[in-house]
This record gives sequence, C-alpha cells and structure tokens, in this order.
Amino acid sequence: AQTVTQSQPEMSVQEAETVTLSCTYDTSESNYYLFWYKQPPSRQMILVIRQEAYKQQNATENRFSVNFQKAAKSFSLKISDSQLGDTAMYFCAFMKRGSGNTPLVFGKGTRLSVIA
Amino acid sequence: NAGVMQNPRHLVRRRGQEARLRCSPVKGHSHVYWYRQLPEEGLKFMVYLQKENIIDESGMPKERFSAEFPKEGPSILRIQQVVRGDSAAYFCASSPQGAYEQYFGPGTRLTVT
Repeated sequence: AQTVTQSQPEMSVQEAETVTLSCTYDTSESNYYLFWYKQPPSRQMILVIRQEAYKQQNATENRFSVNFQKAAKSFSLKISDSQLGDTAMYFCAFMKRGSGNTPLVFGKGTRLSVIA
Repeated sequence: NAGVMQNPRHLVRRRGQEARLRCSPVKGHSHVYWYRQLPEEGLKFMVYLQKENIIDESGMPKERFSAEFPKEGPSILRIQQVVRGDSAAYFCASSPQGAYEQYFGPGTRLTVT
C-alpha cells in the first residue's frame, strides 16, 4: 500500500516571499504520478501541478514548481511570489500508474497562510 | 463545458436516516471516484466505478455504504442509518477512459445530528 506524508500541518509566508511545502511518499511501484492539489475555503479541489515519475525534469506551472527526488521519495512544492489568494490547504497525492485508471492517495495536508 | 456536479451541496440528516449523494461526471467521462474528507484530514478513497460496474470498493465501509453508477443518470453514494461519525465532506471525481487526471466536484457536506 502507498502512503503519503506531509510533515508540516501549518505554514505561513509573507506576501511576495517564497515558501516550500514538503511531501514524502512510500511505494514499491516504479511507475506513478504525483500531484499537488489546493483546497481554498470554498473546499473545491484544484489541481496545482503534476509530475510523472518517469520524467526527471521537475514540473513547473507559473509560480509553482516541484522538487522531485525519486530515490528519496520526496516531492516538495515551491510557491514563488506568494499571493493572498494562495492561502489554502495543500494536499500532496500519489497515483499508481496502471493499465487503467487508479485512485489517488492523499496526504493529510498543509494549511498555508499568506500574510499581507 | 460543465464540470463535475454534486448535489446537494449540504445535507443534514438525523441519526438513523438515509443519505443519498449524487454525482454527475464531466460529459463523456466513464469513470467515477468517491472520496471522503473528515474534518482536518486529507481525502480518503472510498470507491471507484465505471458505468454499471464497481471496480474497486476497498475504501468503503462494508456496512451501510453502497455506490452505483448506472448506465443512465448520476452516480449515487448511499449511506443507510447514518451515524455522527459519517459527518464529513464527500467528493466525487471523474476521468475519461485511459486518462489519469481526475476532475473533482465541489463536494457534499453531510452533517448528522
């Protein structure tokens, strides 16, 4: 079974600064996907960024980038130029890459507060 | 294009009543997943369905919970004889055949009084 661990229950960052959220996972699979989801107060789950495990290059989406360390089973999220709208819960998630669709395994989340 | 729709958004039930949660996937998506989020927790997988079939229900409690995704109409998550511990947000996600990305609905918040 796969597990996802987010060791930082809460974090805060000043507006315009950079923050990094940690995520580690445990799996015996070699092919998988990793995701970061954002959940604002509206509770809608919003996909922030995804990484395919077979790709060595770290994914980047505008102000969001990841540091994917496959050997260490680490997948951290860096948010640059933090904005007030980034305030939300952030969930790291794992998905096994199989012959068909498979469910997501989520961490417990990190609550990020961006301070003006 | 409409995204994943869930209704109701909020549902209040008394202990012992039944709760029915509905999920309409993105048009053309044939795969539906249900997840439960307890307060201050991450989402936990419950069940994965394709049209008319349950593919994986390993995360769903054996008693009182059931799910279906009929050929026509929305997917339904049914909770019989609800208890206070069933109070949570229930999220539905859908994906097309062979694609890994899941699109989430806004969730249904169930409160059991």
